[in-house]
Amino acid sequence: NAGVTQTPKFQVLKTGQSMTLQCAQDMNHEYMSWYRQDPGMGLRLIHYSVGAGITDQGEVPNGYNVSRSTTEDFPLRLLSAAPSQTSVYFCASSRDSRVGAFFGQGTRLTVV
Amino acid sequence: AQTVTQSQPEMSVQEAETVTLSCTYDTSESDYYLFWYKQPPSRQMILVIRQEAYKQQNATENRFSVNFQKAAKSFSLKISDSQLGDAAMYFCAYDVSGDKLTFGTGTRLAVRP
Repeated sequence: NAGVTQTPKFQVLKTGQSMTLQCAQDMNHEYMSWYRQDPGMGLRLIHYSVGAGITDQGEVPNGYNVSRSTTEDFPLRLLSAAPSQTSVYFCASSRDSRVGAFFGQGTRLTVV
Repeated sequence: AQTVTQSQPEMSVQEAETVTLSCTYDTSESDYYLFWYKQPPSRQMILVIRQEAYKQQNATENRFSVNFQKAAKSFSLKISDSQLGDAAMYFCAYDVSGDKLTFGTGTRLAVRP
């Protein structure tokens, strides 16, 4: 029972490099989302999706792209990494509000 | 926009005692859901308890219970018989549509043996 799987768990990037954080869920959830966690700021929403082919911006979308070609996968792309993107990133999926969201184990990203 | 406020950055409790973590929120919606998530040092986000706004009865899950005051927009978490394994960051969160959560800034709970 995998739930929400995020890869990689740790990553170090140089400024200007690009990379994709992978997120996959096997619960057939329609809703998926990406958050970043910074000290003292809780989790903030980056992008979210209500189904395949549909994405929308959250609170802090700048510098990130997403796509949702399948129900299972929701990758997050950093096009040109900046030190301000150093953070812990969480992917989550949910069926509806009543159940709550299931989270991946997070990716600690450091941009130097 | 919805906001969630946790005014206690850190709390401490003696093992076996009871502690209450505070959370307030702001919304113009009448139907919504509230959650408490636990984040231990492993970083994993674990759902502790949920509350549906249209239900007046406070949710309970074993040693965890909430005090939900809809008119006051308050949603506190009570942990009874605290255990060492309860030490973690606790986040209050709000959701109205199921597709995204709004989180508070968290409360770090220490449990003293």
